[in-house]
Amino acid sequence: QVQLQESGPGLVRPSETLSLTCSVSDYVISSRSYWAWVRQPPGKGLQWIGTIYHTGKTFSNPSLQSRVTMSVDTSKNQFSLRLTSVTAADTAVYFCAREVGGHDYYMDVWGKGTTVTVSS
Amino acid sequence: SYVLTQPPSVSVAPGKTARITCGGNNIGTKSVHWYQQKPGQAPLLVIYYDIDRPSGIPERFSGSNSGNTATLTISRVEAGDEAEYYCQVWDSSGDHLRVFGGGTKLTVL
Repeated sequence: QVQLQESGPGLVRPSETLSLTCSVSDYVISSRSYWAWVRQPPGKGLQWIGTIYHTGKTFSNPSLQSRVTMSVDTSKNQFSLRLTSVTAADTAVYFCAREVGGHDYYMDVWGKGTTVTVSS
Repeated sequence: SYVLTQPPSVSVAPGKTARITCGGNNIGTKSVHWYQQKPGQAPLLVIYYDIDRPSGIPERFSGSNSGNTATLTISRVEAGDEAEYYCQVWDSSGDHLRVFGGGTKLTVL
């Protein structure tokens, strides 16, 4: 059964870079799936951050695009997120998810999420 | 960018039917996916492609989509269905964006 696990620092200083990794188990990341990042600020709804295909092709939320970088490491079967110049508004639970589909994509498997706090 | 509108809250008595709507411009031309999220947990896919249920999701969960409104229907509501529900679409125009609705808190009375 496919499992995703987020990892990374729980505390990031303002203006620094948030870096997270999602490790994928029991599924080859280079299979026909996309890989997404979603976040949820405290007490708020879900916000899509971006999606990457194993080839490296990416799609990002326009509101975050200028600060987001995503990558895939097929040798480690994991993908990563970097968010630069963070502020308190970036404090959230960050989820990684697998996207599947044909003509359209949905997130069928999610990681448990990791809490990131931006504070000095 | 494409906007999805959900009511903030819906309340229903146990055993009754809950309907959670998701509004969007011509949403009927898009595929809508629904997620259930309980406190402290990751979202769980409950409906995809408007009407399909993943394995393990009870038949009490169903979906529909037409015109400007998609609807998640939960029949014979149970206490365990109390959660936040989010709709989501893939906006194929332009930059292939993924869009979530604001979420609806389902309260079982």
